[in-house]
Amino acid sequence: GEDVEQSLFLSVREGDSSVINCTYTDSSSTYLYWYKQEPGAGLQLLTYIFSNMDMKQDQRLTVLLNKKDKHLSLRIADTQTGDSAIYFCAESIRSSTLGRLYFGRGTQLTVWP
Amino acid sequence: GAVVSQHPSRVICKSGTSVKIECRSLDFQATTMFWYRQFPKQSLMLMATSNEGSKATYEQGVEKDKFLINHASLTLSTLTVTSAHPEDSSFYICSAATGQGAFFGQGTRLTVV
Repeated sequence: GEDVEQSLFLSVREGDSSVINCTYTDSSSTYLYWYKQEPGAGLQLLTYIFSNMDMKQDQRLTVLLNKKDKHLSLRIADTQTGDSAIYFCAESIRSSTLGRLYFGRGTQLTVWP
Repeated sequence: GAVVSQHPSRVICKSGTSVKIECRSLDFQATTMFWYRQFPKQSLMLMATSNEGSKATYEQGVEKDKFLINHASLTLSTLTVTSAHPEDSSFYICSAATGQGAFFGQGTRLTVV
């Protein structure tokens, strides 16, 4: 199937690192994505990783992919209050239409000053 | 990244009326767009895949006569909620894919009173 699972809540203190975890079940995933959603807004693509990569870094964001365990994580360094939002993990799979994504339920990140 | 614009961002309508939501790809052409629905504190549920020049493909359980999708050009897809009822109140989001990932509109908050 295409189940994508995430923990629902994460709280961190400003300046600390945040790590949001995600697991998925479909081994034919092609790309894995992280999106950010602020209240009342659409989804902002933060980063994505191709399924044959194991790490991608983009400024404060580090994505780690363990394909064997079907585990994806997003690390946000030096977390700021402006990072408070819901973060969605999503995957695309080989057998689906290009652009069709399967989403987790989202992790609510709260950053305390 | 690619820009997808959705309009309106908020709409309130009376029960029994119809509402049209537009999704535009501003700087790229999209043969395929997607329409999602998001319930409070929930993930995104794919409603349908919109195909330029042909009929949309609806997910199981989504009424095609209620949620009319038209994709008449490579940059515009519309979702019309017909004979809206309060249970149709939700957040609707569209997306379009490029080689760099799937990009989302800002979403439309529909309230049916």
